[in-house]
Amino acid sequence: GAVVSQHPSWVICKSGTSVKIECRSLDFQATTMFWYRQFPKQSLMLMATSNEGSKATYEQGVEKDKFLINHASLTLSTLTVTSAHPEDSSFYICSARDNNQPQHFGDGTRLSIL
Amino acid sequence: GEDVEQSLFLSVREGDSSVINCTYTDSSSTYLYWYKQEPGAGLQLLTYIFSNMDMKQDQRLTVLLNKKDKHLSLRIADTQTGDSAIYFCAESRGDYKLSFGAGTTVTVRA
Repeated sequence: GAVVSQHPSWVICKSGTSVKIECRSLDFQATTMFWYRQFPKQSLMLMATSNEGSKATYEQGVEKDKFLINHASLTLSTLTVTSAHPEDSSFYICSARDNNQPQHFGDGTRLSIL
Repeated sequence: GEDVEQSLFLSVREGDSSVINCTYTDSSSTYLYWYKQEPGAGLQLLTYIFSNMDMKQDQRLTVLLNKKDKHLSLRIADTQTGDSAIYFCAESRGDYKLSFGAGTTVTVRA
């Protein structure tokens, strides 16, 4: 149980493109989803917390207009990296929890901006 | 400074026990977690312990919590090559946000 699916797993695109990453909870309803960014050989940095039906809460230093988060249903949250540039290249990981679960993580999306 | 600290590397011989240590600073932590990350993958929840518990055992995994010293450890019995990975310690508080350590890279040698 507690499976979180993240898609795509890898994306390569040109600078200036917007990229959408999906995070789905497959067998539970996720009241809260989290988006993280991980640089090589580093820990996870929390970017934002999203609750279904409400605006995401962004961590200090994370540009909300750059990283658009939508949590329209209890099983789906999306992260859109708008007008991506090479410095946005990273490994993005989502996690999800309901009221009875710890956070369960997706397999991550490796984003490479050329 | 870091809220959660871990040693960065651990090398262990196959079949031996591995012990990964973690210290945290927030005494209001409610849950403490161990996650495993293999190369290019997300985080897999291994086990977690409520802050009022001292120990939790799950098959080859044993978690020990010393709340007084704010020290958490994960022991992996009979370590196998498939246990080679990065192990993250994390704590959560009432808001359910996780604070992660830097991760311990465990290398299992034959």
